[in-house]
Amino acid sequence: DTGVSQDPRHKITKRGQNVTFRCDPISEHNRLYWYRQTLGQGPEFLTYFQNEAQLEKSRLLSDRFSAERPKGSFSTLEIQRTEQGDSAMYLCASSLWDRADEQYFGPGTRLTVT
Amino acid sequence: GESVGLHLPTLSVQEGDNSIINCAYSNSASDYFIWYKQESGKGPQFIIDIRSNMDKRQGQRVTVLLNKTVKHLSLQIAATQPGDSAVYFCAEQGGKLIFGQGTELSVKP
Repeated sequence: DTGVSQDPRHKITKRGQNVTFRCDPISEHNRLYWYRQTLGQGPEFLTYFQNEAQLEKSRLLSDRFSAERPKGSFSTLEIQRTEQGDSAMYLCASSLWDRADEQYFGPGTRLTVT
Repeated sequence: GESVGLHLPTLSVQEGDNSIINCAYSNSASDYFIWYKQESGKGPQFIIDIRSNMDKRQGQRVTVLLNKTVKHLSLQIAATQPGDSAVYFCAEQGGKLIFGQGTELSVKP
C-alpha cells in the first residue's frame, strides 16, 4: 500500500503524559498536513509542511504541540502534558506542492487521554 | 468569517434510492469545494470537487451542484448502496481545507 500511513492507530495515555505520533506521506508528496478531528466534527487544520519547512500553524496548535518533518519525508506530531481535551483523531494528509487541492488522508491516530 | 456547514447531521435512505446531502458556506469569495467521504476508522476520502466557475459536475453515481447565489452546494448520490454508508463532509479549499460538520448517511437494505 503506497498511501499515507500513520502510527500508532490508537493511543491511550494518562493526563500529563507526552505522546508522539508519526505520519509517512505518499513518497513523492512534498506537502504534509496535520488535522485534528473531534467526534461529530469535520477535521480542523493544525499545520503543514512543504518539504522540511513548517509553513503555517493554526492557533489551535498550542505551545504544547510541536510538529517536525526533519528530512522532508515522515513527520511527527508531539503533544506534551496531554489534557483530556486533546482526545481526538489526529489525521495526516499529503499532496504535491502544486496540487494542494488533492490531499490524500491517512487513517488517523485516535488519542484518548484519561 | 469563513465557515462551511451541512444542514443535517444524519440522513437515512433506502437502498437504491437517490441521496442528497446539502452544504452551506458563508465565504462568498470561496472558489473551490470538495466533497469527502469518511468511513468509520478511516481518513476522509476525496469524492468529487467543483470550482466556482461551474454549476454542476458529475462523477460516477455522484453529482455536485453549486449555487453561488445562495452559497449552497449539494452532493447527489444515485442508486445509493450500503457501501455508501459513511459521514460526508463538504470542504472549502483556500490554501488549507476548511471542513463542515458532516452528515452521516445510513443506507437501509
